[in-house]
Amino acid sequence: AQSVTQPDIHITVSEGASLELRCNYSYGATPYLFWYVQSPGQGLQLLLKYFSGDTLVQGIKGFEAEFKRSQSSFNLRKPSVHWSDAAEYFCAAVPSGGYNKLIFGSGTRLAVHP
Amino acid sequence: EPEVTQTPSHQVTQMGQEVILRCVPISNHLYFYWYRQILGQKVEFLVSFYNNEISEKSEIFDDQFSVERPDGSNFTLKIRSTKLEDSAMYFCASSEAGRGGGEQFFGPGTRLTVL
Repeated sequence: AQSVTQPDIHITVSEGASLELRCNYSYGATPYLFWYVQSPGQGLQLLLKYFSGDTLVQGIKGFEAEFKRSQSSFNLRKPSVHWSDAAEYFCAAVPSGGYNKLIFGSGTRLAVHP
Repeated sequence: EPEVTQTPSHQVTQMGQEVILRCVPISNHLYFYWYRQILGQKVEFLVSFYNNEISEKSEIFDDQFSVERPDGSNFTLKIRSTKLEDSAMYFCASSEAGRGGGEQFFGPGTRLTVL
């Protein structure tokens, strides 16, 4: 079955430290891949997306993600975390060529220490 | 910047009652979606809607659920007879494209509490 897995439920980093959030997918063909962020009381905001081509994707707020086909992964990174990055992060996928039905991972809650 | 809006932000209802959750998608979008997130669980797809028809629905979206675009701006989700397990955050989303990974823009959600 198609699925998206985020192995880390909760991550804590210090402000200024680098960040990597993991995401793995299980699909027959490479899906379209997304990272969303959800701040408390807010909806889901798209950070970045991967459809094809360059495997390193740049997004908003200084985030980037790298697609690795061999590992079925799409990990989110940020070189230097700010306190305002504390939020919940969701990886999601849509079957390529299929309807835009997003399948979400279970999310990673990021806490940032000053 | 255009955004998806949802009302109410919080709805409390008694088990067995009908609720209608409302959404105003972005005006030039043609595809509409409902997702839900039970507390502590992942966001789950419920239904997608295009051209006044459901284009896809999940197993969760049973006969208790219905969607409607009653006018040119609103998109509603109705739960006919609520159950305790319907308590969740419900997100509406809209997109320009229905395929090809077109970006979905999400509303802030309606928290539904069934007592």
